[in-house]
Amino acid sequence: DAGVIQSPRHEVTEMGQEVTLRCKPISGHDYLFWYRQTMMRGLELLIYFNNNVPIDDSGMPEDRFSAKMPNASFSTLKIQPSEPRDSAVYFCASSHGSGRTYGNTIYFGEGSWLTVV
Amino acid sequence: GDSVTQMEGPVTLSEEAFLTINCTYTATGYPSLFWYVQYPGEGLQLLLKATKADDKGSNKGFEATYRKETTSFHLEKGSVQVSDSAVYFCALSAGAGSYQLTFGKGTKLSVIP
Repeated sequence: DAGVIQSPRHEVTEMGQEVTLRCKPISGHDYLFWYRQTMMRGLELLIYFNNNVPIDDSGMPEDRFSAKMPNASFSTLKIQPSEPRDSAVYFCASSHGSGRTYGNTIYFGEGSWLTVV
Repeated sequence: GDSVTQMEGPVTLSEEAFLTINCTYTATGYPSLFWYVQYPGEGLQLLLKATKADDKGSNKGFEATYRKETTSFHLEKGSVQVSDSAVYFCALSAGAGSYQLTFGKGTKLSVIP
């Protein structure tokens, strides 16, 4: 079975440019998460969706970041304009959940490695 | 709020040595606990998990026991291999209906032949 698919795997862009990261969750999963990983701050949850609806975006660092999930099989994370401090690995993850279930496994993609110069 | 504290790395061990990576947590209610592993250049993979007190998660020779009395979930392996070199993350999700993972900062393990 295909796992969580992210693109691009690597992106180098100039400061001020728009960056769009893409994610295809595992089919049938109803939760989708965007995480950011940096050396300084570790893994941070940016936003997550349930059934395509954003549930908690409190981790989105500022208005330059936006995320959408137009359908159950696709999500984007956009940074506009990008800054060097946005350089990080961005992970998309998905899970199948039920309100009464404990410990549902969250499956991660291989990440998009972003460098803003 | 919820938090996870892992031992600082990096950890360097010789092949076949015993591994322990300490993890303690703070959470309200009854969290589920996880260990994820990240190999160089890859995403995170679930290594093992436990969903209630005294549960033991195990996979690929790794084990961790959910200790509610000490709020801990230490990762152990009896004999590490070079292929175990990776970054290990302890994480929790805060109970039923919660799917957010709170991660520790990760512990880098290097195993030398």
